[in-house]
Amino acid sequence: QVQLQESGPGLVKSSETLSLTCTVSGGSVNSGSHYWGWLRQPPGKGLEWIGHIYYSGSTNYRPSLRSRVTISVDTSKNQVSLRLSAVTAADTAMYYCATWSVVVPGNPFDYWGQGILVAVSS
Amino acid sequence: DIQMTQSPSSLSASVGDRVTITCRASQSINNYLNWYQQKPGKAPNLLIQAASSLQSGVPPRFSGSGSGTDFTLTISSLQPEDFATYFCQQSSSSPYTFGQGTKLEIK
Repeated sequence: QVQLQESGPGLVKSSETLSLTCTVSGGSVNSGSHYWGWLRQPPGKGLEWIGHIYYSGSTNYRPSLRSRVTISVDTSKNQVSLRLSAVTAADTAMYYCATWSVVVPGNPFDYWGQGILVAVSS
Repeated sequence: DIQMTQSPSSLSASVGDRVTITCRASQSINNYLNWYQQKPGKAPNLLIQAASSLQSGVPPRFSGSGSGTDFTLTISSLQPEDFATYFCQQSSSSPYTFGQGTKLEIK
């Protein structure tokens, strides 16, 4: 059973860079069965896919965020990282690490971390 | 982007009721449609993948159907633990998008 745990600062200043880490247990980021990615949910709102990365390094980002987002993987630590630059109040959200299955029909997000709330302050 | 529209956005029902939530895609997504349940303060939990396949461990009172652009999630007999928010999500093409959610409340 894959388990995901997000970590990072809960408060980021406007215009600075948000950096989060997802530590994977019970599975390997080298697994070919999943992409490893990030989603977010502003308070009281719906879910938004940010992007994901395959163990090969191949990435796929949400077009509206592409200029500000970097997702990377550290195979030695079994971790996935998110960097989002030039943040504004609109980036305040619960951020989730999740796996995107390439083997399960429908390609769902099948494993999720508990989430980490990140607020952007002015 | 493919737009996912859920209806209703909220629903009041009683324990034992049968409820149906619909999700419509702005273009055909074949069966690349997944359903999630989210309880307050928790991460979403996958219920159904590929429109109609029940995720392991999910009670059989949950079912999904549809293909193309129109999909439904049905709960055959509501239980107290089913009161939550439900989201549909398409994985047909990037960016992968979600419906706005349906909040299921106790009547």
